[in-house]
Amino acid sequence: EVQLVDSGGGVVRPGGSLRLSCAASGFTFDDYGMSWVRQVPGKGLEWVSGINWKGDNTSYGDSVKGRFTISRDNAKNSLFLQMNSLRAEDTALYYCVRGGGVWFGDYWGQGSLVTVSS
Amino acid sequence: DVVMTQSPLSLTVTLGQPASISCRSSETLIYRSDGNTYLNWFQQRPGQSPRRLIYKVSNRDSGVPDRFSGSGSGTDFTLRISRVEAEDAGVYYCMQSTNWPQTFGQGTKVEIK
Repeated sequence: EVQLVDSGGGVVRPGGSLRLSCAASGFTFDDYGMSWVRQVPGKGLEWVSGINWKGDNTSYGDSVKGRFTISRDNAKNSLFLQMNSLRAEDTALYYCVRGGGVWFGDYWGQGSLVTVSS
Repeated sequence: DVVMTQSPLSLTVTLGQPASISCRSSETLIYRSDGNTYLNWFQQRPGQSPRRLIYKVSNRDSGVPDRFSGSGSGTDFTLRISRVEAEDAGVYYCMQSTNWPQTFGQGTKVEIK
């Protein structure tokens, strides 16, 4: 059974940093690109970042470019999102998603809540 | 970025009746490299993560009931539910993954009466 388990969320002050993790199981992790999607509570979905299977090609949405870094460890079947210089508008539920590029979204994690507040 | 516009944004449907959601993209979603159209539909029930229902316009994901169907081409797409059930309540999103960055529609809230 495919599983994506998100972790690492929490409360952080503006300007602070946080690192999200996603533990994958039930499939060959390095066969797939992976992505992060966020959702402000009660609002819609926003694609944040994506990474190819090998980890050498990454992409970011304009709202997080230069502040967030996506990475992966294929040996540990894990996906990461390093979030720096956090702003109040980054407050959201962050989902790990299987797929990047044209194949996208057949499995989602349960989400990790990030709250940026002073 | 490709803008995805859904309509209606809210829909109330009687149990057992059909429902239809429209999604329009600001650019064609035909992927030049392979000729496929990467238009997806997601369902998000209250308190749950999104779940993909449809990929490449009209292909149902495993386990998705056949009352859900997708159609369309180019820039105009539709998700149909043939006979709505209580468990279909939630928000539905179209999403394109043909062009970078992937973009979602605003969501359509479906309520059942």
